[in-house]
Amino acid sequence: GENVEQHPSTLSVQEGDSAVIKCTYSDSASNYFPWYKQELGKRPQLIIDIRSNVGEKKDQRIAVTLNKTAKHFSLHITETQPEDSAVYFCAASIRGNTPLVFGKGTRLSVIA
Amino acid sequence: DTAVSQTPKYLVTQMGNDKSIKCEQNLGHDTMYWYKQDSKKFLKIMFSYNNKELIINETVPNRFSPKSPDKAHLNLHINSLELGDSAVYFCASSQTRYGYGYTFGSGTRLTVV
Repeated sequence: GENVEQHPSTLSVQEGDSAVIKCTYSDSASNYFPWYKQELGKRPQLIIDIRSNVGEKKDQRIAVTLNKTAKHFSLHITETQPEDSAVYFCAASIRGNTPLVFGKGTRLSVIA
Repeated sequence: DTAVSQTPKYLVTQMGNDKSIKCEQNLGHDTMYWYKQDSKKFLKIMFSYNNKELIINETVPNRFSPKSPDKAHLNLHINSLELGDSAVYFCASSQTRYGYGYTFGSGTRLTVV
């Protein structure tokens, strides 16, 4: 089955700097790649997603890039703010029959 | 007007007991899921249920059983609870089997003592 690796497991940045989180997946049939943000004690919430027919997608300070050849995708957060501090999860879905497989998460701390 | 709701939010129980967690979604989604989040925050799929088709993660002990009375509900029943079952359990739903539009419930923190 699908396996998703996520790095780094923890990331600390100064407020205003950029943060990058990287994920790799194993199954070339995967075609949907969402990113979730989970604040302390709360549910994971979808922040951005990308499908395999697109190489990059941007939403304000957040962008995701996808390299299908290399089977990796990344989350980029620019101009980080303290409220960006949370655990971020990448995920991948195999076309058709299986639910989202998540990476192990990245704990992002934005230091004011 | 919560989209995916779970009850209870907290559950403390003794080893060996049987308990259930309820999940309901009002999004009209056709697939529902249960995920387990352990102390290291790893989100692991337990079950998915779509139009009466149940997909089970083979690593889930058979003490765990999902029950779906209708498309809007997927409950989780756990028999003979063990200390290692302590975790946060999240229900989720999506519009298609491809996972588009995944929405999570608020979670149930289960503590087995």
